[in-house]
Amino acid sequence: KQEVTQIPAALSVPEGENLVLNCSFTDSAIYNLQWFRQDPGKGLTSLLLIQSSQREQTSGRLNASLDKSSGRSTLYIAASQPGDSATYLCAVGRSADKLIFGTGTRLQVFP
Amino acid sequence: NAGVTQTPKFRILKIGQSMTLQCTQDMNHNYMYWYRQDPGMGLKLIYYSVGAGITDKGEVPNGYNVSRSTTEDFPLRLELAAPSQTSVYFCASSPHRVQDNSPLHFGNGTRLTVT
Repeated sequence: KQEVTQIPAALSVPEGENLVLNCSFTDSAIYNLQWFRQDPGKGLTSLLLIQSSQREQTSGRLNASLDKSSGRSTLYIAASQPGDSATYLCAVGRSADKLIFGTGTRLQVFP
Repeated sequence: NAGVTQTPKFRILKIGQSMTLQCTQDMNHNYMYWYRQDPGMGLKLIYYSVGAGITDKGEVPNGYNVSRSTTEDFPLRLELAAPSQTSVYFCASSPHRVQDNSPLHFGNGTRLTVT
C-alpha cells in the first residue's frame, strides 16, 4: 500500500529564507507527483506537477524535484514571503484515476 | 469561469439526518472526485467518476452515495449522518486521467459537522 509522508508537519520561518519541504512515498511505481497549496478555509491549488520521467519542475520561486528510486520529492521555495504562508500538500499518482495525499506541511512566514 | 463550485460551505447535521453536498464544474471535465479531509490527515478519496453515468468507489465510500447524470454535476449523498462523517469535503475535477499528468482543480470545500 502506498503511503505518503510529509516532514516537517509545521514550519515557521522569517521572511527571506529559502525553504525545503519534504515528501516521501513508499512505492516508486508512480505516474506523477503533484504539489498543492491550501489556504485556510479554501480548496487546494495545484502548484507543480512532475511526471515520473522528469527530475524537476520550476514555477517562479518554486522548484520541485523528484527522485523515484529513493521515494522522495522536495519543494524548494526561494526567498520566502509572508504570502507564502499556507499548507503545502504533495500527492502521488499511483493507480488509475487516483491520487494519494500526504498530510501536509503548515508553513508560516513572518515579516 | 467559475471552476469547481461546492454548496453549501457549512452545514450542521444531527445524527441520522440526510443531506446532499452539491458539486458542479463548468470546465467540461470528464473526471470528478470527492475527498474528505480530517484534521491532521491527508485527503481520502470517497468516490470518483470518469464520465457521466460512471462512478466508482474510492478508499472510504461507506456511508456515502454518488451519482453522475451530467458532465457538470457530481453530488455526494449522506443517507444517515454519523459523527464519524464530521469532516471537510472537497470536490475536484480534471480533464484527463491521473496517469495522463493532468492537474486537479478543487472547489473550496464544505465543512460538515454531525452532532
